[in-house]
Amino acid sequence: SAVISQKPSRDICQRGTSLTIQCQVDSQVTMMFWYRQQPGQSLTLIATANQGSEATYESGFVIDKFPISRPNLTFSTLTVSNMSPEDSSIYLCSVEGGGQGVAGELFFGEGSRLTVL
Amino acid sequence: GNSVTQMEGPVTLSEEAFLTINCTYTATGYPSLFWYVQYPGEGLQLLLKATKADDKGSNKGFEATYRKETTSFHLEKGSVQVSDSAVYFCALNTGGFKTIFGAGTRLFVKA
Repeated sequence: SAVISQKPSRDICQRGTSLTIQCQVDSQVTMMFWYRQQPGQSLTLIATANQGSEATYESGFVIDKFPISRPNLTFSTLTVSNMSPEDSSIYLCSVEGGGQGVAGELFFGEGSRLTVL
Repeated sequence: GNSVTQMEGPVTLSEEAFLTINCTYTATGYPSLFWYVQYPGEGLQLLLKATKADDKGSNKGFEATYRKETTSFHLEKGSVQVSDSAVYFCALNTGGFKTIFGAGTRLFVKA
């Protein structure tokens, strides 16, 4: 298992500003995943962050809007840039269980709830 | 492409009622299947999983059986409690880095 801490847990932001979300894992992991959960919706994968290389973005998400850093095996950040009200969502950091776990067996942080005014 | 379809909510039940939340999937290959639960104000937690046909995942009184012939993974619990009120997500993974989630089903359990 993995324990994941995210900061901030929630924030209210002004249109046009940027916010960086931090994700700390209590063990070393190869891959970290960033998801977006829009109000009342399911989870959508934004990108996969691998330490030492650029993140891989899913269709519909671009690096200029959602830059990601992955400086080491326990930490990652996601920045939501030039925010608009449409970016109001919960952003979730996730890792796979590893070891005896299977692909898709994910552990999640508590999420960062962003409201953009 | 791969997808997950689950029944729309909300589902409202009285305490001790029987719960079924339907989930069907479309996938190439042989996916692993999962149910995740999201309690109010929290992130998602893995509830149970099944990795091959006819496997039954179980946890906390919840069960789901991997049915390849019907491409289904329905979640069941014999007697729900108020504390089971949450959003339940069915999900699949075909072995890569991308897990596909269903839309989620909100469950309300009344005392």
